[in-house]
Amino acid sequence: KNQVEQSPQSLIILEGKNCTLQCNYTVSPFSNLRWYKQDTGRGPVSLTIMTFSENTKSNGRYTATLDADTKQSSLHITASQLSDSASYICVVSDRGSTLGRLYFGRGTQLTVWP
Amino acid sequence: EADIYQTPRYLVIGTGKKITLECSQTMGHDKMYWYQQDPGMELHLIHYSYGVNSTEKGDLSSESTVSRIRTEHFPLTLESARPSHTSQYLCASNRGAGQETQYFGPGTRLLVL
Repeated sequence: KNQVEQSPQSLIILEGKNCTLQCNYTVSPFSNLRWYKQDTGRGPVSLTIMTFSENTKSNGRYTATLDADTKQSSLHITASQLSDSASYICVVSDRGSTLGRLYFGRGTQLTVWP
Repeated sequence: EADIYQTPRYLVIGTGKKITLECSQTMGHDKMYWYQQDPGMELHLIHYSYGVNSTEKGDLSSESTVSRIRTEHFPLTLESARPSHTSQYLCASNRGAGQETQYFGPGTRLLVL
């Protein structure tokens, strides 16, 4: 069964600190993996996308890693800001359909305190 | 910021009412999607469209219906709302080629009393 599991479910950190969010997936055949940021009451916004051959992708203070062998990904946030408070969703796409079937994790709810 | 819009943003309505959630995008995208998301849960695909006059049901069974008469619009309709329909509904779109990133609208939070 194709699944995407994220951990932790929620995380509280102090402003300026770093944190790492985890994503494990069983989606096969794998196409790509995206990390989305979803602010409360808003739609998800794409942060990074990685294909099978990519190990690391950065977007400002966000750095995503991918280990296609172990089917794990992480999102590292450096020097957190209050505006980083949001849900971070891991989304994996398979190669099995032209639709580009997406499998969503439940997200990690990050809260950054001043 | 993606050019995809949803109205209303919030809706509180009584059981049995007919409602239509609007979604429009100005990016000329062929593919459009409707997702349902409950608090703390993953998004579930309920409908999608490859283009005008194309609509398909998604993975999660839904009593809602959709239409795609114009490229820009992909409205979702509930003929008779029930409390079990209370949820957040997210619309998304992308180009027809490959598996491009989907751009999401801000969502509609629906509460059925």
